[in-house]
This record gives sequence, structure tokens and C-alpha cells, in this order.
Amino acid sequence: QVQLQQWGAGLLKPSETLSLTCAVYGGSFSGNYYWRWIRQPPGKGLEWIGEINHSGSTNYNPSLKSRVTISVDTSKNQISLKLSSVTAADTAVYFCARELASRDYFYGMDVWGQGTTVTVSS
Amino acid sequence: SSELTQDPAVSVALGQTVRITCQGDSLRSYYASWYQQKPGQAPVLVIYGKSNRPSGIPDRFSGSSSGNTASLTITGAQAEDEADYYCNSRDSSGNHQVFGGGTKLTVL
Repeated sequence: QVQLQQWGAGLLKPSETLSLTCAVYGGSFSGNYYWRWIRQPPGKGLEWIGEINHSGSTNYNPSLKSRVTISVDTSKNQISLKLSSVTAADTAVYFCARELASRDYFYGMDVWGQGTTVTVSS
Repeated sequence: SSELTQDPAVSVALGQTVRITCQGDSLRSYYASWYQQKPGQAPVLVIYGKSNRPSGIPDRFSGSSSGNTASLTITGAQAEDEADYYCNSRDSSGNHQVFGGGTKLTVL
């Protein structure tokens, strides 16, 4: 049974860089998967941050694109998120998730990390 | 368009049927997936594709799609179905994901 375990700094100051890691346990890291980062500000809805696919190609939310980097370390079965120049608006619970895809058919994000609360405060 | 629109809140009497809808131009090209989220928990996938349920999701959950609207139907809603529900799909460009704003379901 695949599990995603995530970790990273939970308290940041404005202008710092958010850095989170998501490790894949109990399953294959290879395959036609999209590995995604999603966040949820307090009391608000889900927001897609970006993704990296099995080929290493990335896509980012246009509103965050200039500050986001998603990368993968296949040797460690880990996906990383970096978000630079954070502000209070970046305060949220951050989730990693996996979705299987085949061409334009998506199978849903069936496995999620436990979530990491990140607070940006001076 | 890169938006998916959901009603903010819906209520249903215990044991009755409720439909939660999601509208967006991209739904003409891509199926929506649906997620249930309870307070303090990660979202859980309940429907994907045409109307597929992951293992462990009760068969009272079903999905459908017509034109630019995707729907999640709960037939015989239970108290444990009270949660926030989010739709998600590719956007019209095919390069980004987008979530609906979420629907808070109350079971009366």
C-alpha cells in the first residue's frame, strides 16, 4: 500500500523560502504518475500548486509560477517543493498527492500525504 | 477558462439523495474527479473518470457528466457523508489542474 509522508519547516518569516519533501513508501515511484503539490489556506479551499510527471516535466499554477520549483529525486523516491519569497498569504496546509494518468485520462489523486502546516509570520 | 464553479453549501436529509455540481468549460474535454474532505484531514478521492469509485468508497457515491457540468450524487446520504466536497479537473489548456471552490454538505 503506497503511502506519502511529507515533512518540512513549519514556521517561516516573510521573504524566506518554503521547502517541503514528500517521500513515497510501499510502492513504485515509476509509472505514468503525476506528483502534485496542493495547498489549503486556513478556512479556504484547495489550490493546486503544481506537478511533476514521470518524464520530469513540470507544470505550475500561473499565479505561483515565478516562485515555485518542484523536483524529484528518483534515487530516494522523493518529491520536493520550493516556494520562494513567502508572505503571509502562503500560510496554508500543504499536501502532496499522486495521480495516475494515461494520455488525457486521469485516474484521480488516490494517495495523499498527511499535510504539513506552514505558517509565515514575522 | 480555468475555473470550476461549485455551490458553496448544500444540505440533505438523512437517507435522501443529494447532487453536488461542478461547472466549467474544461469539463467538456476532461472528466472531473471528486474529493471528500473532513475537518483536519487530507482529501479522499471518491469518484474519478466517468463514474469510477476507488476501492473502499461506498456505492452510494456516483458521478456523471453532461456538457460543461459534472455531478456527484450521494444516494441515501449518511451522517458520515457530512464533509466538504471538491471537484478537480484539468483546465482547458490541458497543462494545469484546477479545483472547484468546494461544497459544504450538511446532512440533516
